[in-house]
Amino acid sequence: DIVMTQTPLSLSVTPGQPASISCKSRQSLLHTDGKTYLYWYLQKPGQPPRLLIYEVSNRFSGVPDRFSGSGSGTDFTLKISRVEAEDIGVYYCMQSIQVPWTFGQGTKVEIK
Amino acid sequence: QVQLVQSGAEVKKPGASVKVSCKASGYTFTSSDINWVRQATGQGLEWVGSMNPNSGSTGYAQKFQGRVTMTRDTSISTAYMELRSLRSEDTAVYYCVGPATISWGQGTLVTVSS
Repeated sequence: DIVMTQTPLSLSVTPGQPASISCKSRQSLLHTDGKTYLYWYLQKPGQPPRLLIYEVSNRFSGVPDRFSGSGSGTDFTLKISRVEAEDIGVYYCMQSIQVPWTFGQGTKVEIK
Repeated sequence: QVQLVQSGAEVKKPGASVKVSCKASGYTFTSSDINWVRQATGQGLEWVGSMNPNSGSTGYAQKFQGRVTMTRDTSISTAYMELRSLRSEDTAVYYCVGPATISWGQGTLVTVSS
């Protein structure tokens, strides 16, 4: 199984300040089709995860442009340029290049 | 728009089985795999397995092999996940996940308790 490691596991951010979450995989997520199968989700209490970023850096429809994803191979980052109150929740990275899909442990983002 | 609607919460005794349904709409059901992911209370996300609704072929996480079966009824665009020999550790919210990992069902809480 591909182990996904997120850091930090929790983050307390002042509104308007940036935030960054790292996700590292034990093996490359670059497929022979040229795509890198790394996704970022935000989960709020009592809700299913909501897709934010697909294939490393593509913002999903309706996701504010303060969210951005970057990285390649085994190292990836989710950045929020200016955190807003609605951004609180748990962020997960996920790989789907290989089954089983595996997820990072989650990063809980709180507002100071 | 793509929508996945799951069946309601279940309470089962240890050793019993549960079957969760996931009704898809807004896209061609047979065009994309359905995956199942579970989440124990306060815990992370765990992939259970996947099914190709067109062929019916399945793939399961090793820890569930022999206990899980994924099926579908294409006439009603519905996928099913059955988990047998339930134990307390199976208590979790089970999600179906649709096309391109974008769409998730609302989740079904399965509680295993004597």
